[in-house]
Amino acid sequence: EPEVTQTPSHQVTQMGQEVILRCVPISNHLYFYWYRQILGQKVEFLVSFYNNEISEKSEIFDDQFSVERPDGSNFTLKIRSTKLEDSAMYFCASRRGRYPYNEQFFGPGTRLTVL
Amino acid sequence: DQQVKQNSPSLSVQEGRISILNCDYTNSMFDYFLWYKKYPAEGPTFLISISSIKDKNEDGRFTVFLNKSAKHLSLHIVPSQPGDSAVYFCAASGGGETSGSRLTFGEGTQLTVNP
Repeated sequence: EPEVTQTPSHQVTQMGQEVILRCVPISNHLYFYWYRQILGQKVEFLVSFYNNEISEKSEIFDDQFSVERPDGSNFTLKIRSTKLEDSAMYFCASRRGRYPYNEQFFGPGTRLTVL
Repeated sequence: DQQVKQNSPSLSVQEGRISILNCDYTNSMFDYFLWYKKYPAEGPTFLISISSIKDKNEDGRFTVFLNKSAKHLSLHIVPSQPGDSAVYFCAASGGGETSGSRLTFGEGTQLTVNP
């Protein structure tokens, strides 16, 4: 069964460093998302991406964040200058299309630790 | 952000009995609802969904009920099995093909099914 994959599973970085989290969505899906979950808190939406552009972003997704689909398979989240509060699990998700294909399928996550 | 709320942080049931997980929402623009199951160190796994044009959706042992007037949904698992032990998240989206597809999650309910 097709699944969303994410690399790395765990990323440790120093505050102020740039990190790139990678995702390979399900191949025939058209909509891509990033979410994060800070320890003990809810899963929060960051950004959605469709047709090679951001379709929606949350207030969390400020100028230090960017997303890119550099080729036909990868979807990346870049954090330009990491802060301690960026430490969280980051989940990539993808969705096949319009209703009734509204379900989003999640990857296993990348645990980002900022020291 | 309290738009989606799961008031029970935990639920314990006996194997073979029914598990009922509850979720309330406040945003009347939500028109699609999903349940996810999550094990530690894994991403959320899609279980079942329901559109606001329905009041019930069933898939094997899982049934989701939607009461729009009460802004309440529930997930029934019958019969419950020890392998069902996990955190269950309720999520909602505002519909639409691109904008409004972000998922808003509840806090999660830890279900424990005792043998």
